[in-house]
Amino acid sequence: SQTIHQWPATLVQPVGSPLSLECTVEGTSNPNLYWYRQAAGRGLQLLFYSVGIGQISSEVPQNLSASRPQDRQFILSSKKLLLSDSGFYLCALLVAMGVYNEQFFGPGTRLTVL
Amino acid sequence: AQSVAQPEDQVNVAEGNPLTVKCTYSVSGNPYLFWYVQYPNRGLQFLLKYITGDNLVKGSYGFEAEFNKSQTSFHLKKPSALVSDSALYFCAVRDIGVSGTYKYIFGTGTRLKVLA
Repeated sequence: SQTIHQWPATLVQPVGSPLSLECTVEGTSNPNLYWYRQAAGRGLQLLFYSVGIGQISSEVPQNLSASRPQDRQFILSSKKLLLSDSGFYLCALLVAMGVYNEQFFGPGTRLTVL
Repeated sequence: AQSVAQPEDQVNVAEGNPLTVKCTYSVSGNPYLFWYVQYPNRGLQFLLKYITGDNLVKGSYGFEAEFNKSQTSFHLKKPSALVSDSALYFCAVRDIGVSGTYKYIFGTGTRLKVLA
């Protein structure tokens, strides 16, 4: 079965500092990977998704970027954090279930920008 | 574009009573609909999905959802609520991105509070 790891679990950063959040998956190859942000404990906003190494689709223009350096690694970055970047960041994986598919989520990273 | 709406920010229900968490959808084509649950400071957990077939879908932890095409709704239900069901619930619809891959669009979430 698939496992999603996110690192770190929590992070407190000052405004203007850089950011790197890591998502790694196990138990699958060539996965579709996703980054979501959840602000103030509510709705999820899809930020980026990736269908393969070096392939990134951006959903919303913003202060963040994503990279897929390896098949099972998905990284979310920023050069200079804003206060509005605070939130709960979730990495997700799309799993084929026969002719259908389901999305599974990692444990999340809580980012606080001060 | 596909979208879902969850009209209630919060639902309160007494333990042992039936619960309903509402979701309506707007899609072009056949809807692929999902429910997820999130406990505090955790990732989302899959509950159930509707792809095709029976309108009543059964999922994890005793939850079920009823797909209603005429009302474009996919409400989550449980016959008897437990205090441990208290959590944040998300409805989602599958969409297709510009690269042709699947992406999920989530509702704003409904906080369910089950009172002892």
